[in-house]
Amino acid sequence: VQLVESGGGLVQPGKSLKLSCSASGFTFSSYGMHWIRQAPGKGLDWVAYISSSSGTVYADAVKGRFTISRDNAKNTLYLQLNSLKSEDTAIYYCARDWELYFDYWGQGVMVTVSS
Amino acid sequence: DIQMTQSPASLSASLGETVSIECLASEDIYNNLAWYQQKPGKSPQFLIYYASSLQDGVPSRFSGSGSGTQYSLKINSLESEDAATYFCLQDSEYPYTFGAGTKLELK
Repeated sequence: VQLVESGGGLVQPGKSLKLSCSASGFTFSSYGMHWIRQAPGKGLDWVAYISSSSGTVYADAVKGRFTISRDNAKNTLYLQLNSLKSEDTAIYYCARDWELYFDYWGQGVMVTVSS
Repeated sequence: DIQMTQSPASLSASLGETVSIECLASEDIYNNLAWYQQKPGKSPQFLIYYASSLQDGVPSRFSGSGSGTQYSLKINSLESEDAATYFCLQDSEYPYTFGAGTKLELK
């Protein structure tokens, strides 16, 4: 199992960014997937979940601003981040869902929101 | 949201010792609890699920216990590679929530 995030970077407040998570080593279409973030030097915060059938759940802090999606043909998970705020600055991890837990995580991608 | 209160925030122990880390949930989470280990600059590693089940490949010196609102992670016979930050996670209901973490230092 390998999960590789990309698309992070420095972005101004109010702007948008799209993260990708490329999956390999398992049947991607059969698994739900999560995004989890970690602000610098802080703990972990669950962000969003998408089921294998593309049902979604979001944390209140990102609801209406972030959109999780998937492309099973490309084995890729996405997170569209809109209306970014400074408090969204974090390392963003994608993780595979197994029995409602996160069993495999990517290496993470840094998103910095600053003017 | 379910709050997870993790303690201690940090601890220091010697090689070969046994340590315990606690997580207290703000309501019954029915054993829907996992433990993760994170080393600096790395992504978290999955240790224990459903409060006490050891994930494949995790050394048997790690164990989990608890029920209701109180859960603990015990590490027996500490080894140098166990130096890390440990987090609990409740997945009883959305939003999933983590404990704040326990930084384990080896003397």
